[in-house]
Amino acid sequence: AQSVSQHNHHVILSEAASLELGCNYSYGGTVNLFWYVQYPGQHLQLLLKYFSGDPLVKGIKGFEAEFIKSKFSFNLRKPSVQWSDTAEYFCAVTGDKLVFGAGTILRVKS
Amino acid sequence: NAGVTQTPKFQVLKTGQSMTLQCAQDMNHEYMSWYRQDPGMGLRLIHYSVGAGITDQGEVPNGYNVSRSTTEDFPLRLLSAAPSQTSVYFCASSLSRSRPNTEAFFGQGTRLTVV
Repeated sequence: AQSVSQHNHHVILSEAASLELGCNYSYGGTVNLFWYVQYPGQHLQLLLKYFSGDPLVKGIKGFEAEFIKSKFSFNLRKPSVQWSDTAEYFCAVTGDKLVFGAGTILRVKS
Repeated sequence: NAGVTQTPKFQVLKTGQSMTLQCAQDMNHEYMSWYRQDPGMGLRLIHYSVGAGITDQGEVPNGYNVSRSTTEDFPLRLLSAAPSQTSVYFCASSLSRSRPNTEAFFGQGTRLTVV
């Protein structure tokens, strides 16, 4: 069955700290991978996506993610977080349908 | 270009009542889906559709029905509301017919409370 696992449910960081959010998936075929962000009171917005090619993808607002096929992972990174990055982050994968992880709530302290 | 339009934004139902959440997209997307979002559980897939006339169950389909008579519309029906269905519901659409391998666009969400 298709599934997504996010490692941390809550992360608290100070401004300028580096961020890495873990994501692992399970699916037997070719996948497409996404990270979405949900700011308080808003709907989901796409941060970045991987379909094929370079496994290191860059998204908006300085975020990047690396697809490691052998580890079934797609971890999200940002070198220096800002207070405005406070949000919930969702990893998602498409096999035959779009499935989301449980989300990671990031709080950045100013 | 409206994108994905979801109505209503808020709804309170009594246990046992039925209602329909509306979802429409104007991007000629073939793939549409409904999710519920609950704290600590992320977005769980309720039902999805790969095109007009085709629907399938997701992770949590019980208590919900869908239909897809047109490409644009994908309503979600709660047959007999229960307090366990209190949640925030999101509709999403994306371009691909056979697989949702393009970006998904989301509606603004419906906050449903069942009392």
